Amino acid sequence: AQSVTQPDIHITVSEGASLELRCNYSYGATPYLFWYVQSPGQGLQLLLKYFSGDTLVQGIKGFEAEFKRSQSSFNLRKPSVHWSDAAEYFCAVGTQGAQKLVFGQGTRLTINP
Amino acid sequence: DGGITQSPKYLFRKEGQNVTLSCEQNLNHDAMYWYRQDPGQGLRLIYYSQIVNDFQKGDIAEGYSVSREKKESFPLTVTSAQKNPTAFYLCATHRGGNQPQHFGDGTRLSIL
Repeated sequence: AQSVTQPDIHITVSEGASLELRCNYSYGATPYLFWYVQSPGQGLQLLLKYFSGDTLVQGIKGFEAEFKRSQSSFNLRKPSVHWSDAAEYFCAVGTQGAQKLVFGQGTRLTINP
Repeated sequence: DGGITQSPKYLFRKEGQNVTLSCEQNLNHDAMYWYRQDPGQGLRLIYYSQIVNDFQKGDIAEGYSVSREKKESFPLTVTSAQKNPTAFYLCATHRGGNQPQHFGDGTRLSIL
């Protein structure tokens, strides 16, 4: 069965510092991978997605993610975080395209001024 | 303005009471989903529907029921059989294929 692990429950970084959020997945076929962001009390907003092709994908708000098949990882990165990036981030793997999603537990990001 | 509307934003339930959460969409997406979110557990799939008048159980369907009488609407009923209903409930839609799922702003359900 497919699964997603986000090893870091909570991360704190200083404003302007670089960020990497980890995501490891387990899935037998070629995965469809997603990163979503959630502000408190809100729904999920798509940051980026990977289906095939270039393993480095660019998303909104200056985020990028790299698909590494050998490591079963899809880590999210941003070179310089802003206070507005404080939120919860979810990695998800899609089966049957994006018809069914399995989510990781989420990583809560706190930004120090 | 296209989107997904979940109502109400906050809902309170008394013990032994059924409550219904509304999800309406005007994106013309075929598939609709209900997820439950608890702190530290991510999102878990309750029910989903890929076409009108058809729906399937997700991973945690016990204590919940749904209907899909119209393409635009996918209401979720939390029954009295759901012993721990306090959670944040998210509705999502999917156009199909490689497109991502889109999410509403959620309903927070609490027990009085």
